[in-house]
Amino acid sequence: GESVGLHLPTLSVQEGDNSIINCAYSNSASDYFIWYKQESGKGPQFIIDIRSNMNKRQGQRVTVLLNKTVKHLSLQIAATQPGDSAVYFCAENMVGSNYKLTFGKGTLLTVNP
Amino acid sequence: GAVVSQHPSRVICKSGTSVKIECRSLDFQATTMFWYRQFPKKSLMLMATSNEGSKATYEQGVEKDKFLINHASLTLSTLTVTSAHPEDSSFYICSGRERTSGDEQFFGPGTRLTVL
Repeated sequence: GESVGLHLPTLSVQEGDNSIINCAYSNSASDYFIWYKQESGKGPQFIIDIRSNMNKRQGQRVTVLLNKTVKHLSLQIAATQPGDSAVYFCAENMVGSNYKLTFGKGTLLTVNP
Repeated sequence: GAVVSQHPSRVICKSGTSVKIECRSLDFQATTMFWYRQFPKKSLMLMATSNEGSKATYEQGVEKDKFLINHASLTLSTLTVTSAHPEDSSFYICSGRERTSGDEQFFGPGTRLTVL
């Protein structure tokens, strides 16, 4: 579980810069990973996913990198815009878990105009 | 496509009362639905998994008699918080998974519960 009083990691960038958000996942048996964006008071919004047989996947302005050796996932956002400001969560799914997702702690991204 | 709705979007209730939250899949058949709880500035924590027509499977530490889950149809699941207390105040989020959609889950917009 999370430590009491632990603040949400934050990343502050200038509009137009590239953003990199990192996530350390917990289970080496996980085979499916997803990045979600969550705006205040809303549900998670799917951004991009990747399976464990890949190490990179690109979408529109976003790239996900997976390093299974160190159990690390990253989300790169190109040309960050003010509308990208939100909390970003990584989530992992383990084979045989009945499709249950385990969410990471989240990172608050703030884009300054 | 793949839209999930929740009702109500926010609810305020008195301590000791019960509150029902609905989760509907609008354009797909959700063979599996998941319920999450999220406290302020925290991550989503899975509470339970329900398959249509079956009893829900609860995560460790989640009281099944307090959080009643019903998944009677392929498009509707309900979460009832019984005898709610202030510590149950949270953001409750559901998601649905279609049998043919693989691992992907589609999330609802969440329900803000405040217990006075």
